[in-house]
Amino acid sequence: NAGVTQTPKFRILKIGQSMTLQCTQDMNHNYMYWYRQDPGMGLKLIYYSVGAGITDKGEVPNGYNVSRSTTEDFPLRLELAAPSQTSVYFCASSVGQPNTEAFFGQGTRLTVV
Amino acid sequence: GNSVTQMEGPVTLSEEAFLTINCTYTATGYPSLFWYVQYPGEGLQLLLKATKADDKGSNKGFEATYRKETTSFHLEKGSVQVSDSAVYFCARQNNNDMRFGAGTRLTVKP
Repeated sequence: NAGVTQTPKFRILKIGQSMTLQCTQDMNHNYMYWYRQDPGMGLKLIYYSVGAGITDKGEVPNGYNVSRSTTEDFPLRLELAAPSQTSVYFCASSVGQPNTEAFFGQGTRLTVV
Repeated sequence: GNSVTQMEGPVTLSEEAFLTINCTYTATGYPSLFWYVQYPGEGLQLLLKATKADDKGSNKGFEATYRKETTSFHLEKGSVQVSDSAVYFCARQNNNDMRFGAGTRLTVKP
């Protein structure tokens, strides 16, 4: 079972460059999430989606954009990379019913220099 | 606000020692509570969960009890192993909103 797959695993960007972090899941989950993980800060929710065509901001959405054209895919876009966006990014999905767990990808380590 | 506070690490224990990692939460309503574990280089995996007051979640020798009166969900294990070395995250879920604590790094030495 593939579960949640993120690409790339590592990336170095220069300030001002743009990139898209890819996330796909094969569990037919309605809910998908993007988190960033900074040392000692836990996970912060960037954006989430409750189904195809629907997206909402989380705690720290500034500097990011998302789209959800299909159930399977939830890409995260950085338009003008800044050093503050250096982090590890995790995509997750869940069935969406209350009390159900989230399944996580292996993460993308992004460095902006 | 809605947040999760967990014990700061790092925690270093000898094999077979007793483990407690404290977690408290704030939330409106009746959240579900989770402990996730992150092994090096991997994403988070669910360790255990509890969905209502007084429920006890358990898995792989780990336990946590949902205490509504103290808004806590402390993680315990009676005898840790080297393979338990990882980062542990407490989380609470209200509807669509899943919030995580800062994580506690556990190192178990032989």
